[in-house]
Amino acid sequence: DTGVSQDPRHKITKRGQNVTFRCDPISEHNRLYWYRQTLGQGPEFLTYFQNEAQLEKSRLLSDRFSAERPKGSFSTLEIQRTEQGDSAMYLCASSPQLAAYSYNEQFFGPGTRLTVL
Amino acid sequence: AQKVTQAQTEISVVEKEDVTLDCVYETRDTTYYLFWYKQPPSGELVFLIRRNSFDEQNEISGRYSWNFQKSTSSFNFTITASQVVDSAVYFCALSEGDTGGFKTIFGAGTRLFVKA
Repeated sequence: DTGVSQDPRHKITKRGQNVTFRCDPISEHNRLYWYRQTLGQGPEFLTYFQNEAQLEKSRLLSDRFSAERPKGSFSTLEIQRTEQGDSAMYLCASSPQLAAYSYNEQFFGPGTRLTVL
Repeated sequence: AQKVTQAQTEISVVEKEDVTLDCVYETRDTTYYLFWYKQPPSGELVFLIRRNSFDEQNEISGRYSWNFQKSTSSFNFTITASQVVDSAVYFCALSEGDTGGFKTIFGAGTRLFVKA
């Protein structure tokens, strides 16, 4: 399977704990996005990587959230001191960059569903 | 500021009916990209179409067609002869090419129910 994969698919944690999610994009894609989706809403942009560089981060993302893409391949999203409001589906997507300033379709992973008790 | 509005929260049709999903967007940029994605009950978002702001040509792909009108800032999606398998949530999305950075803004989605 050469699609975007995410791990774990489900995570249940207690409030105050730290959690880390992993995303493996399609191998030749240099753009990687993280989104959060809550019930009945569209995906909400969190952050964007081009290769290993984090080029944009949503103002909605608190300091408890951090993302990395150390070698320009897989990415991790960590949430520290989780709160019940962090409960959501966390989606990863990747995209090829075929031209500068061009936006191509994003290929989404299955998501990680986080439940904070 | 970027904004995508999908005013229809839910639509219910009977199989074989035609249905149009509305999308209205706001942007200050002259260069931007519009997308439609489908999210079936299984949950994974699937890309349907991309349009850039310089290409207002309507597109048809099988039972799907898209109507892009810059004058009304709309990018509507029509499914002809709907089928039960079309039941899903459909999202319209916008990426700005100049000042919007790299984020993509999604609408809240329209949930389509197609009854047999």
